[in-house]
Amino acid sequence: AQKVTQAQTEISVVEKEDVTLDCVYETRDTTYYLFWYKQPPSGELVFLIRRNSFDEQNEISGRYSWNFQKSTSSFNFTITASQVVDSAVYFCALSVPVNDYKLSFGAGTTVTVRA
Amino acid sequence: KAGVTQTPRYLIKTRGQQVTLSCSPISGHRSVSWYQQTPGQGLQFLFEYFSETQRNKGNFPGRFSGRQFSNSRSEMNVSTLELGDSALYLCASSLTGTGDNEQFFGPGTRLTVL
Repeated sequence: AQKVTQAQTEISVVEKEDVTLDCVYETRDTTYYLFWYKQPPSGELVFLIRRNSFDEQNEISGRYSWNFQKSTSSFNFTITASQVVDSAVYFCALSVPVNDYKLSFGAGTTVTVRA
Repeated sequence: KAGVTQTPRYLIKTRGQQVTLSCSPISGHRSVSWYQQTPGQGLQFLFEYFSETQRNKGNFPGRFSGRQFSNSRSEMNVSTLELGDSALYLCASSLTGTGDNEQFFGPGTRLTVL
């Protein structure tokens, strides 16, 4: 079975602070895909990143960075120099071929950035 | 390129009624997935359609059904509505639905059952 755990329910920071969102996943499959999505108040899930299980390289995209560590089954997400527009719910998700790639989502972390 | 569109955006129904939600995927995308989002259960997979065939189904009762048309547009239907069906229903489209394709989500349909 696949499982994604986002232990942090809510995080509140002041603008310009860095914030790291934790994601721990469970799967027995050796091939799998990890995702991060952002859900602003409007409700639409916005795709941020996809990473496959064979690519452990960390990635940076502007103020966003991701740290993938297979040894600890974690795929953490850091927002550097946070801005008010980063306020949203962030979801980590996992998909595996045996489940026809349906997304299994974590519970989400609500990030509030205060001015 | 137009994104995923969902109609209607908001719906209010009463218990026992039925409802049909519509999703138009991104042009060229053949896979459409449906998810239910509630405060208590989070985001849960309902089903996925590819080339007019249901390819995968989540753990939902038979009151939840769907279909996909030849132009890849999809509809989902919920019959005999219950209060617990109140949720945000999200549709996602991808090229083939495989892991190397990201899923793009629509804005959702917020269903309220009274």
